[in-house]
Amino acid sequence: RKEVEQDPGPFNVPEGATVAFNCTYSNSASQSFFWYRQDCRKEPKLLMSVYSSGNEDGRFTAQLNRASQYISLLIRDSKLSDSATYLCGESGGYQKVTFGIGTKLQVIP
Amino acid sequence: GAVVSQHPSWVICKSGTSVKIECRSLDFQATTMFWYRQFPKQSLMLMATSNEGSKATYEQGVEKDKFLINHASLTLSTLTVTSAHPEDSSFYICSAAGQGNSPLHFGNGTRLTVT
Repeated sequence: RKEVEQDPGPFNVPEGATVAFNCTYSNSASQSFFWYRQDCRKEPKLLMSVYSSGNEDGRFTAQLNRASQYISLLIRDSKLSDSATYLCGESGGYQKVTFGIGTKLQVIP
Repeated sequence: GAVVSQHPSWVICKSGTSVKIECRSLDFQATTMFWYRQFPKQSLMLMATSNEGSKATYEQGVEKDKFLINHASLTLSTLTVTSAHPEDSSFYICSAAGQGNSPLHFGNGTRLTVT
């Protein structure tokens, strides 16, 4: 079983739609969780860290469910510029992060 | 925010040659840096952890004699791909974080093509 699993997609959604991604992790000792955005042929950029209480940044909401060992990312009012691959990552400490394969999102006009 | 710079952005080399990639933390000191590799349509795979002033820690399956890592200062780590082969062609990305459980920030990546 992979340490971090994501549905690779692609998810094709119309502009303005709400879309949600889930990511499951196998390491019950994981301490930190992150969502990164990666554009084609570019480096990943941090979108947001994921906290136990859940956190929101504008149109983006991230949640953590420790009992079921998954994190989620919700994007509201999708924009064309949101088209990218979204990577989830987990860390058991020492800053070492394991990533999923990424979920590709394509927002359609 | 934290900035990590990587150089070169892309390189094309012939089989058998060595390629050095530099990773610098520009506005913070990084005792630990991480080197990842990403093949097309695949996940970022951690290759090794670079520790300032000590030997790097390699992930299982990564040849330490082929991928030489040097972390001589708190702001610079280098990865040298020795005797490169076409199968080493990939996107190499370094990353670093501040203290504690700060999230990783990535360099801009190096796209290596070995002909």
